[in-house]
Amino acid sequence: DTAVSQTPKYLVTQMGNDKSIKCEQNLGHDTMYWYKQDSKKFLKIMFSYNNKELIINETVPNRFSPKSPDKAHLNLHINSLELGDSAVYFCASSQDRGQGGTEAFFGQGTRLTVV
Amino acid sequence: KQEVTQIPAALSVPEGENLVLNCSFTDSAIYNLQWFRQDPGKGLTSLLLIQSSQREQTSGRLNASLDKSSGRSTLYIAASQPGDSATYLCATGANNLFFGTGTRLTVIP
Repeated sequence: DTAVSQTPKYLVTQMGNDKSIKCEQNLGHDTMYWYKQDSKKFLKIMFSYNNKELIINETVPNRFSPKSPDKAHLNLHINSLELGDSAVYFCASSQDRGQGGTEAFFGQGTRLTVV
Repeated sequence: KQEVTQIPAALSVPEGENLVLNCSFTDSAIYNLQWFRQDPGKGLTSLLLIQSSQREQTSGRLNASLDKSSGRSTLYIAASQPGDSATYLCATGANNLFFGTGTRLTVIP
């Protein structure tokens, strides 16, 4: 039974389109995150939500909008996609508000390719 | 802001060898440090979590140490196997995790 699941696994789309990536965790964790892994494989935090409340919003273009309908779900919506948005996006969750406090579990990633 | 560095960037060893991966961080105000494994095209698998009050953690052939004062952690892999080939990432922080750039390990049969 997958702990943190993301859909879709692969997403190929044209510039200018709007797309969403969904994430669900069945661990009962309070906090969820979105990370971006660029072409150089560097992972960087984008957003953090705790009990549906936005906690961390790193320097991310406002074309990216996270939405948390409940604490088990954190979706990422991206407007007006650009070539530079191509990357692998990872969802993660942890029990405590501070991810550095408890073990973080990651999804399998969504490889987004913008053409 | 926390910066995490991993050395070496890549490592190739013959099967059966013991090896050490290094991780250093600039800000010692951390809650814990976590080591992950990432296989090509896959997600991150958590290997070990060391709380900031701990010095080391062990899981099977893996042993991770943490020295907060010097801003260093090591991941020791004993008796390496080809199946250990992957990229190993360390991550640490307070409110969220800051990742290193990883060490790509290849174990040669």
